[in-house]
Amino acid sequence: DQQVKQNSPSLSVQEGRISILNCDYTNSMFDYFLWYKKYPAEGPTFLISISSIKDKNEDGRFTVFLNKSAKHLSLHIVPSQPGDSAVYFCAASGNTGNQFYFGTGTSLTVIP
Amino acid sequence: KAGVTQTPRYLIKTRGQQVTLSCSPISGHRSVSWYQQTPGQGLQFLFEYFSETQRNKGNFPGRFSGRQFSNSRSEMNVSTLELGDSALYLCASGSGTSVQETQYFGPGTRLLVL
Repeated sequence: DQQVKQNSPSLSVQEGRISILNCDYTNSMFDYFLWYKKYPAEGPTFLISISSIKDKNEDGRFTVFLNKSAKHLSLHIVPSQPGDSAVYFCAASGNTGNQFYFGTGTSLTVIP
Repeated sequence: KAGVTQTPRYLIKTRGQQVTLSCSPISGHRSVSWYQQTPGQGLQFLFEYFSETQRNKGNFPGRFSGRQFSNSRSEMNVSTLELGDSALYLCASGSGTSVQETQYFGPGTRLLVL
């Protein structure tokens, strides 16, 4: 039962353009969402988060958008850089404790 | 602050054996969560410990167990290893005092079961 889904396993983007990574969830009790970036042979690194009371959160080149009615969030990276090439995971948690649910990840390749 | 550390980084075991993995959280963090990552499956939640008590548990068989010590360090044990247990095991730490908090991950332990 995959409560958080990333339906695009991979994405390729030209350097300097926008990267948009998508994530859908099914559990309406989720109220906190995070994006992590993972390089091979390393643990996931926290990127950005958003609470369900907001619909947008921005941190430098990274912006996360939350559409609660559609149960959808997206991560925008502008401009994309080759160093952004990694696997991106979205995660969600609810008010039932510190259990996080992760998507299966999207592998982003930024082409120089 | 030092980050989350995990030991060992790599392990090779054979079917039927057992294995213990260790995780030291960020100083001051009292919550430690364990995840299993396999290709195509993302990160699957195993369990979370807070103040030496298991607070949350995922859908894994009883062969997977854990514990947390008074200094918040945590160990995860897998008994009677199966080939399907080959995975990257990640631990993450957090303060554990808020339902909206960030978890910080260690580098993981890569387990290969032959």
